[in-house]
Amino acid sequence: AQKITQTQPGMFVQEKEAVTLDCTYDTSDPSYGLFWYKQPSSGEMIFLIYQGSYDQQNATEGRYSLNFQKARKSANLVISASQLGDSAMYFCAMISGSARQLTFGSGTQLTVLP
Amino acid sequence: ETGVTQTPRHLVMGMTNKKSLKCEQHLGHNAMYWYKQSAKKPLELMFVYSLEERVENNSVPSRFSPECPNSSHLFLHLHTLQPEDSALYLCASSQGRDLRGEQYFGPGTRLTVT
Repeated sequence: AQKITQTQPGMFVQEKEAVTLDCTYDTSDPSYGLFWYKQPSSGEMIFLIYQGSYDQQNATEGRYSLNFQKARKSANLVISASQLGDSAMYFCAMISGSARQLTFGSGTQLTVLP
Repeated sequence: ETGVTQTPRHLVMGMTNKKSLKCEQHLGHNAMYWYKQSAKKPLELMFVYSLEERVENNSVPSRFSPECPNSSHLFLHLHTLQPEDSALYLCASSQGRDLRGEQYFGPGTRLTVT
């Protein structure tokens, strides 16, 4: 079985500052992929970034980077230079080679303050 | 149109009604998904259609019935729902179900069962 844990139900960050959203995962499968999605109040889930279990380097996509620590089974999302439009729910998700379906965490509500 | 579209965006129905949710993807993907997002709970995968094969979550009640007539269209037929079925229903699509296949989500249908 695979499991995703997001321990921060809510986070606040000042505009232009960086923020880290925590995600830990559990799987016995050596092959897996980790995703972060953003869900604004409109409801649509927007793909942000992907990290494969065998990737040697941490993934980066613009202002988003993934701090992948395999031994600790963590995949934290770092957002640099926060913008007001970053205020949303953020979900960490995982797919494993055996389960082949996305499992989502409970999400973190990020609020960017002006 | 591009991406993944869902209709209707909002639906209110009584417990004795029959309705259907529609999802259409314009991305050329070959896998489609239905998710349920209830308040304060992680996204729950309901059904997967991959290359016209159906994979379902055994905990989904039979009052939810999916239909996938082709790789671009996905329906969720609803009948005799319960108030606890009120939630945001998200459709997603991906190219295959491998580890790197990020899923693209539609805007969701907000369902209220009265």
